[in-house]
Amino acid sequence: DIVLTQSPDSLPVSLGERATINCKSSQSVLYTSNNKDHLAWYQQRPGQPPKLLISWASTRASGVPDRFSGSGSGTGFTLTISSLQAEDVAVYYCQQYYTTPYTFGQGTRLEIK
Amino acid sequence: QVQLQQSGPGLVKPSETLSLTCTLSTGSLSSYYWSWIRQSPGKGLEWIGYVYYGGNTDYNPSLKSRVTISADTSKKQFSLKLSSVTAADTAVYYCARNREGYYMDVWGKGTTVVVSS
Repeated sequence: DIVLTQSPDSLPVSLGERATINCKSSQSVLYTSNNKDHLAWYQQRPGQPPKLLISWASTRASGVPDRFSGSGSGTGFTLTISSLQAEDVAVYYCQQYYTTPYTFGQGTRLEIK
Repeated sequence: QVQLQQSGPGLVKPSETLSLTCTLSTGSLSSYYWSWIRQSPGKGLEWIGYVYYGGNTDYNPSLKSRVTISADTSKKQFSLKLSSVTAADTAVYYCARNREGYYMDVWGKGTTVVVSS
């Protein structure tokens, strides 16, 4: 199975500041046939299901604010929130869909400093 | 926008079979893959498997011997059966739609299932 390791586990950030979450894959999730990274990011608020933020490593899902951005390729990826808002407090997960079984990172808990 | 409505018991006895159903509010199962995912404090998010509307399935090898996922296009439903459950199967179970067969873009609200006698 592909193992995704996120860092940090917990991230305190002040309102209005930048938040950066990393996701490292145990093997490349770049599919050479379509030159796309098969990686997604999700946001999970307490008591809610995960919500898709980013697919293909950097494509924002419909309705997702542009303060959220994804970058990286191959085995290293980053989710950046450019200016933290109170509603962004949540746990964030990366997920690979390069191969089954699809796997998730362990999650990063984003909190207000 | 399609919504997924989950149904099924929240309490299952050890050694019995967990059964959950996910029903689409609009649209059809056609042309999509449909997944089940579970979330427990100990193991985080775990993909259980998916079914394609035509009936093809793929399961997580860690659960494959106990899992059956099926689809009923006429009822706009897909279902999960997990047999021989133990306390380790206690989790929140989610159904979801796989966009392009890959990432999950629509999720059900989740069903908390406790395995206990």
